[in-house]
Amino acid sequence: GQNIDQPTEMTATEGAIVQINCTYQTSGFNGLFWYQQHAGEAPTFLSYNVLDGLEEKGRFSSFLSRSKGYSYLLLKELQMKDSASYLCAVIDSNYQLIWGAGTKLIIKP
Amino acid sequence: DTAVSQTPKYLVTQMGNDKSIKCEQNLGHDTMYWYKQDSKKFLKIMFSYNNKELIINETVPNRFSPKSPDKAHLNLHINSLELGDSAVYFCASSQDRGRPDEQFFGPGTRLTVL
Repeated sequence: GQNIDQPTEMTATEGAIVQINCTYQTSGFNGLFWYQQHAGEAPTFLSYNVLDGLEEKGRFSSFLSRSKGYSYLLLKELQMKDSASYLCAVIDSNYQLIWGAGTKLIIKP
Repeated sequence: DTAVSQTPKYLVTQMGNDKSIKCEQNLGHDTMYWYKQDSKKFLKIMFSYNNKELIINETVPNRFSPKSPDKAHLNLHINSLELGDSAVYFCASSQDRGRPDEQFFGPGTRLTVL
């Protein structure tokens, strides 16, 4: 079956750095998305990785290792507004998007 | 301008009723989707649709049916509502570039079945 694993919840301190991991086992791979979802709101796009390596976009970076079936989202200089759920989603060989259950990130002052 | 809009935002109804949720996108996208997000926050794809094909998640009961009057609209009709249908339903759209592309989500419709 297809499976995406993320930690259920993480806590970090304002101003710090946090890494949210995602491991996947899917039938084929055509890319991986990270989305942010604030409570009561819709998911919004953060990043897309299809090649191995690190993609940096401001305070957020996303890393992919296809051979390991592994990605992480790195958030630097954490702000209170970063408190949200972070969803990992993988596109399989049929171009279907398989979603993880999301990681709830709690930022403390 | 709202990119992907849904109506209503909140829907409270009795078991056994039939209801519809409307979705419209003004992004000129080719593909639209319906997702269900339950209380555990797991986002589950229900349908994806473009002018070429409708892809249905086989686990979705046939009480749920998507209806697309045109490329910019994908409505969700639900027959004989059940308690377990209570969830937030998100509509989304993306461009069909022949490769995966980011999806833009609507604000969600919170459905409560009593």
